[in-house]
Amino acid sequence: DTEVTQTPKHLVMGMTNKKSLKCEQHMGHRAMYWYKQKAKKPPELMFVYSYEKLSINESVPSRFSPECPNSSLLNLHLHALQPEDSALYLCASSQDVGRWTEAFFGQGTRLTVV
Amino acid sequence: KQEVTQIPAALSVPEGENLVLNCSFTDSAIYNLQWFRQDPGKGLTSLLLIQSSQREQTSGRLNASLDKSSGRSTLYIAASQPGDSATYLCAVRPNNNAGNMLTFGGGTRLMVKP
Repeated sequence: DTEVTQTPKHLVMGMTNKKSLKCEQHMGHRAMYWYKQKAKKPPELMFVYSYEKLSINESVPSRFSPECPNSSLLNLHLHALQPEDSALYLCASSQDVGRWTEAFFGQGTRLTVV
Repeated sequence: KQEVTQIPAALSVPEGENLVLNCSFTDSAIYNLQWFRQDPGKGLTSLLLIQSSQREQTSGRLNASLDKSSGRSTLYIAASQPGDSATYLCAVRPNNNAGNMLTFGGGTRLMVKP
């Protein structure tokens, strides 16, 4: 099983809403990632969790708040977003952050901020 | 800073053609290179992973090569089919102290016409 599952698939939220994106993997991977992808652009790294600890934050605004409750789950809490935050949010995992690891991606959550 | 470039940005071919997608990177100090496929609005599917010590990897009709010293990789697709239509992304894992996170190229949008 090389599956990374993201929910919901689509999300529309207002600028004053609070919502969460969820990501789950059961491959025993200890590194999990959030990426943001705008239309016709490559994915951009947002956060990296290694062994349930935040190891990289790519200067992401505080309106995005990641959480890793356990080794299988990764959440992204959203609050007071802007329309320009509308994008495809991708979760990925790998065995660890080591040099030889292969990354596996979920199907993404299409977020629209209105 | 590592930069990854994919040429061409878009490609349209008739069904049955063999084709080559190109990926170049500016810093040859990499751990591995990964090729992904992305369908519109969907997540990334890992196609092939080439470690820095390897020259090529094959999976079915796909063959990826790596020339680390010249900073190049190619993805060869044999006997293309309409179902191969998608965006193909290459990503390198740099050998540096910045967490070794994937750096993506801009992608090649492939259309295979019946």
